[in-house]
Amino acid sequence: ETGVTQSPTHLIKTRGQQVTLRCSSQSGHNTVSWYQQALGQGPQFIFQYYREEENGRGNFPPRFSGLQFPNYSSELNVNALELDDSALYLCASSLQGRSGELFFGEGSRLTVL
Amino acid sequence: SQQGEEDPQALSIQEGENATMNCSYKTSINNLQWYRQNSGRGLVHLILIRSNEREKHSGRLRVTLDTSKKSSSLLITASRAADTASYFCATARISNFGNEKLTFGTGTRLTIIP
Repeated sequence: ETGVTQSPTHLIKTRGQQVTLRCSSQSGHNTVSWYQQALGQGPQFIFQYYREEENGRGNFPPRFSGLQFPNYSSELNVNALELDDSALYLCASSLQGRSGELFFGEGSRLTVL
Repeated sequence: SQQGEEDPQALSIQEGENATMNCSYKTSINNLQWYRQNSGRGLVHLILIRSNEREKHSGRLRVTLDTSKKSSSLLITASRAADTASYFCATARISNFGNEKLTFGTGTRLTIIP
């Protein structure tokens, strides 16, 4: 158990719809990173949030957006869903300024039909 | 894009044997980490080795790092059926924002045959 929880665990959407995924970070962690993992691939960095600000972004279009709240929990929003957005979305929490491991949640499995 | 590539992509061995996985990467790094993922679930951190370290041990795990060759290896000794999982290397470097960014490789699928 990493103390990072994600919801929902599974969801199905259709093309063009919007989705919001949620993440509660481990107690005391002030940084949240989001990753997309397509089937059979390694996780790809989407973005990171620290103190409610985006603090780095990978090669993902603007329709991928996020929020971090004062309690350090976070949301990932994806607009105008495409078939290729089908993936496991992983949230990881960490402590900014400390070089070290990420603590991952179990992920949200998104299927876009 | 993937920073690292693991080799082999898949590995099957008998229980009790040792398993070795390799990782190559492209740019300078702060540290390199190995993670494990059971099928379709979250990743679990196994071990971290800093760029100024050459070898590190943790239980049945041994990690080496060769920064001149930009490569790392993960050795799991005396494998068990419960070690069946995917293993990912991840390289950490300082981003343009001044924070540490972790980039994952493509993974090695390890199967331990009882």
